[in-house]
Amino acid sequence: QLQLQESGPGLVKPSETLSLTCTVSGGSISSSSYYWGWIRQPPGKGLEWIGSIYYSGSTYYNPSLKSRVTISVDTSKNQFSLKLSSVTAADTAVYYCARRQAPFDPWGQGTLVTVSS
Amino acid sequence: QSVLTQPPSVSGAPGQRVTISCTGSSSNIGAGYDVHWYQQLPGTAPKLLIYGNSNRPSGVPDRFSGSKSGTSASLAITGLQAEDEADYYCQSYDSSLSGHNYVFGTGTKVTVL
Repeated sequence: QLQLQESGPGLVKPSETLSLTCTVSGGSISSSSYYWGWIRQPPGKGLEWIGSIYYSGSTYYNPSLKSRVTISVDTSKNQFSLKLSSVTAADTAVYYCARRQAPFDPWGQGTLVTVSS
Repeated sequence: QSVLTQPPSVSGAPGQRVTISCTGSSSNIGAGYDVHWYQQLPGTAPKLLIYGNSNRPSGVPDRFSGSKSGTSASLAITGLQAEDEADYYCQSYDSSLSGHNYVFGTGTKVTVL
């Protein structure tokens, strides 16, 4: 059974870079059938797609975040990572990683990242 | 900022049928892109409920059904149960000039009276 787990700091200072890693277990991140993505949810608000990556390194980003986002993959560790630069309080959210074929499924449990000094 | 619009809330008594609409446009649902639905129980991650407009993953009760027509989609819950109280989100793909964008609906809170 495929499982995803997010990890990384829960507190980031304004203007710094948010860094998270998603570890995939129970399956290979190098499967040719899937992309892997990041989605976030500010407290009490809806879901926002951040970006997706293929095991080859091909990426797609939300146009509204594209200038600040970098997603990378490490197939040797079965992990993919998110970097979001120049964060502000508006980037405070629960960050989820998920596998994407057409829908996003499954999802990790999510990790809350708070942007505050 | 969501390009898919859902009603903020719907409610129903146990056993009743409720529907949730998801209204898009010609650059997403109306362009033929599939709609998927997710259920988010309080304090948990979203879970796939319906994929490809009307298909249920294994383990999802047949009380949940999805449909799509034109620039809109709908999720129906028949025989509403207390455990269905959750937030529901639709999701599709948008092909505007700015590029690839996987979009979610604004979300609907279902309350079981």
